[in-house]
Amino acid sequence: AQSVSQHNHHVILSEAASLELGCNYSYGGTVNLFWYVQYPGQHLQLLLKYFSGDPLVKGIKGFEAEFIKSKFSFNLRKPSVQWSDTAEYFCAVNGDNDMRFGAGTRLTVKP
Amino acid sequence: ETGVTQTPRHLVMGMTNKKSLKCEQHLGHNAMYWYKQSAKKPLELMFVYSLEERVENNSVPSRFSPECPNSSHLFLHLHTLQPEDSALYLCASSQVQGARYGYTFGSGTRLTVV
Repeated sequence: AQSVSQHNHHVILSEAASLELGCNYSYGGTVNLFWYVQYPGQHLQLLLKYFSGDPLVKGIKGFEAEFIKSKFSFNLRKPSVQWSDTAEYFCAVNGDNDMRFGAGTRLTVKP
Repeated sequence: ETGVTQTPRHLVMGMTNKKSLKCEQHLGHNAMYWYKQSAKKPLELMFVYSLEERVENNSVPSRFSPECPNSSHLFLHLHTLQPEDSALYLCASSQVQGARYGYTFGSGTRLTVV
């Protein structure tokens, strides 16, 4: 069975700081990888996704993620965060036909 | 709005009550899902329906009973719940089961069991 591990429960940054959120998964086959974001009081929204090809994926709002197959990782990055990036971020894996999520990382950006 | 609508947004129920959560999508998707979101825990996949047939039931207690009368509607019937069942219940849909393109989520129903 596939599983997803997100290393940080809560990250606090100041505006303009760089962000990297870790995500590791366990699954031996071909995977599709996702990052979702949940702003306070809102629904889960797709931030970016990886299926194949270039392992560096660019998403909305300046986010990007890099798939490193050898490390089973799909870390989320943003060079300079804004206060409006305050949200919960979920990594997800779809390998054996169903989406499995990590526990989420809460990001707080201080103005 | 995402195209996946969940009602009610909030629900408080006693342990002896019976209630139902509703999910509706008009995106033309053929697969629908129920997830449970609890604080500091991964989203838990509860049920999967594909073309109105249940294809997965992840060891969910029988006090949760799903129903999918058609491809646009999904219900979660609740009875004799426990306080630990308090959580955000999310409905999602996708074009086909396990779609590569991701799922579309509703805003969820915040359930409190007292």
